[in-house]
Amino acid sequence: EVQLVESGGGLVKPGGSLKLSCEASGLPFNDAWMSWVRQAPGKGLEWVGRIKSKIDDGTPDYGAPGKGRFTISRDDSKNTLYLQMSSLKAEDTAVYYCTTDSLITLASPGARSYWGQGTLVTVSS
Amino acid sequence: QSVLTQPPSASGTPGQRVTISCSGGSSNIGSNPLNWYQQLPGMAPKLLIYSNNQRPSGVPDRFSGSKSGTSASLAISGLQSEDEADYYCATWDDSLIGPVFGGGTKLTVL
Repeated sequence: EVQLVESGGGLVKPGGSLKLSCEASGLPFNDAWMSWVRQAPGKGLEWVGRIKSKIDDGTPDYGAPGKGRFTISRDDSKNTLYLQMSSLKAEDTAVYYCTTDSLITLASPGARSYWGQGTLVTVSS
Repeated sequence: QSVLTQPPSASGTPGQRVTISCSGGSSNIGSNPLNWYQQLPGMAPKLLIYSNNQRPSGVPDRFSGSKSGTSASLAISGLQSEDEADYYCATWDDSLIGPVFGGGTKLTVL
């Protein structure tokens, strides 16, 4: 059974930093492209970015919210995906999900879609 | 403002058929397959329909999807109380080089 478990969320002051983790099990993590998607309270889904598998060059791509202030990385030895967030703003307050969803992460149609339970980040003074 | 446009709400009574629309443009829906996700309160999104009209294993055939041009729709027949959820459409956008989502439709079962 595939499981994605996010952690690291919490309350942070504006301008602060936070690092989220997503530990994966039940899938060949080193072959998996992974994405972060966020959802502000009462709002819709927003793509933060993705990271390719190392064999596909391992580079990240970012959506609008992730550009410039966020860094996506991975540690295949720990089956873990990371999201380093800096210069946080109130509008970054959201539940952050990691996902392997085929369309969201690979731009490829497919039934493979695993999501974590999400971790809440609150940016407030 | 979401790239894909969905109605903010929809409703129906048990047993009824409801449809939810999703409209976009040539760089997204017009040229890429579309997914639908169901999000129950407090839960992560769950894939409901992929590749416009395919159901993953375990999704009841009460759920169906279609796409034409730059628009798509999700149909739910035989509406049940447990269908009360938020529904999102999503696809890849070739101009933005990333996935885009609809703003979500809150389905209420009356």
